[in-house]
Amino acid sequence: SQQGEEDPQALSIQEGENATMNCSYKTSINNLQWYRQNSGRGLVHLILIRSNEREKHSGRLRVTLDTSKKSSSLLITASRAADTASYFCATDTWGAQKLVFGQGTRLTINP
Amino acid sequence: EPEVTQTPSHQVTQMGQEVILRCVPISNHLYFYWYRQILGQKVEFLVSFYNNEISEKSEIFDDQFSVERPDGSNFTLKIRSTKLEDSAMYFCASRHGTSGSSYNEQFFGPGTRLTVL
Repeated sequence: SQQGEEDPQALSIQEGENATMNCSYKTSINNLQWYRQNSGRGLVHLILIRSNEREKHSGRLRVTLDTSKKSSSLLITASRAADTASYFCATDTWGAQKLVFGQGTRLTINP
Repeated sequence: EPEVTQTPSHQVTQMGQEVILRCVPISNHLYFYWYRQILGQKVEFLVSFYNNEISEKSEIFDDQFSVERPDGSNFTLKIRSTKLEDSAMYFCASRHGTSGSSYNEQFFGPGTRLTVL
């Protein structure tokens, strides 16, 4: 089974609109983290949400976590062209240190 | 702001050659990781390292791979005899791992693009 699957695989919106990306996972988790990756570049840490948290904010980012549905969403409000990137969720589980990544959502913000 | 650094940014090597990828984790972090991302695919875990020993490794991390923390700052990944399928972006990451609000966050370096010819 795949852990950390994002949808949609690709999202294209106009600048100023809100972008919502979803992540689903299969096993119980300890934490869920969201990362951004510009084309061919490194992974930038955006936000971490713990399994006992339901919502977290950081600037224009809002992350929710529903452990009963094993899903998370990342909302970027008032999108900018610079937000164009791939976004990945990554989960870790109790007792294991590794992060398990999904395939990512490619977000394109059109000016 | 402290960050993870990696060198080189791009390494080209011939099949069968040994390569060493270098990383300098964030200075007060205790847990270190290597991941790889084959072009167009998801990021995959290779190995985690804590207290000078491997704590977890994936099936990808076979006998051709090794890690080392030769001094107090560097963390290296060695591939002894590279194969074509080792071509990928290799990411180093580190985590604080003790108390504090961000102790579970893994911070990634910019990556080393390895091309095996």
